Amino acid sequence: DQQVKQNSPSLSVQEGRISILNCDYTNSMFDYFLWYKKYPAEGPTFLISISSIKDKNEDGRFTVFLNKSAKHLSLHIVPSQPGDSAVYFCAASPGGAQKLVFGQGTRLTINP
Amino acid sequence: DAGVIQSPRHEVTEMGQEVTLRCKPISGHDYLFWYRQTMMRGLELLIYFNNNVPIDDSGMPEDRFSAKMPNASFSTLKIQPSEPRDSAVYFCASSFLGLADYNEQFFGPGTRLTVL
Repeated sequence: DQQVKQNSPSLSVQEGRISILNCDYTNSMFDYFLWYKKYPAEGPTFLISISSIKDKNEDGRFTVFLNKSAKHLSLHIVPSQPGDSAVYFCAASPGGAQKLVFGQGTRLTINP
Repeated sequence: DAGVIQSPRHEVTEMGQEVTLRCKPISGHDYLFWYRQTMMRGLELLIYFNNNVPIDDSGMPEDRFSAKMPNASFSTLKIQPSEPRDSAVYFCASSFLGLADYNEQFFGPGTRLTVL
């Protein structure tokens, strides 16, 4: 039972263009969503988050959009840079709990 | 701060052997999480502690897995006996709730376990 799904295992984008990573969830009790970035041989690092009371959160080149009715969130990176090449995990937290449920990850490759 | 520390970084063992993974959380953090990453299932939460007390162990796959947190600065994840299907990368993470509704989790570098 995969409550958080990232249906694209990989994505390739040209440097300078926009990268869009998608995530779907099934549990309507999720009230906080996060994106983590992971480089090889390292642990995931926090990138950006959004509360369910918002529909957009922006931090520099990174913007997360939340569509609660569709149970869908997306991460936009613009402009994409070679250092953005990594695996990106979407995660969600059920209300009142500190636990996170992660998606399977999307490997983003930025081509020069 | 040194961040979350995990040891060993790599572990190769034979089926049936006991494996112990170790974690030192960031000082002052009151939550500690153990995750497992596999190609098939991605990042799965195994168990988490709050103030050294296990809160949710519903992700622990079976009785062969056990986790302890004897004090605020140390936790272990033990697999006994180990099986080839336990091969994965195991991550420890910690967080501090404070006054926020939710705080980010800080991950260690992981332990790559290979069971032959």
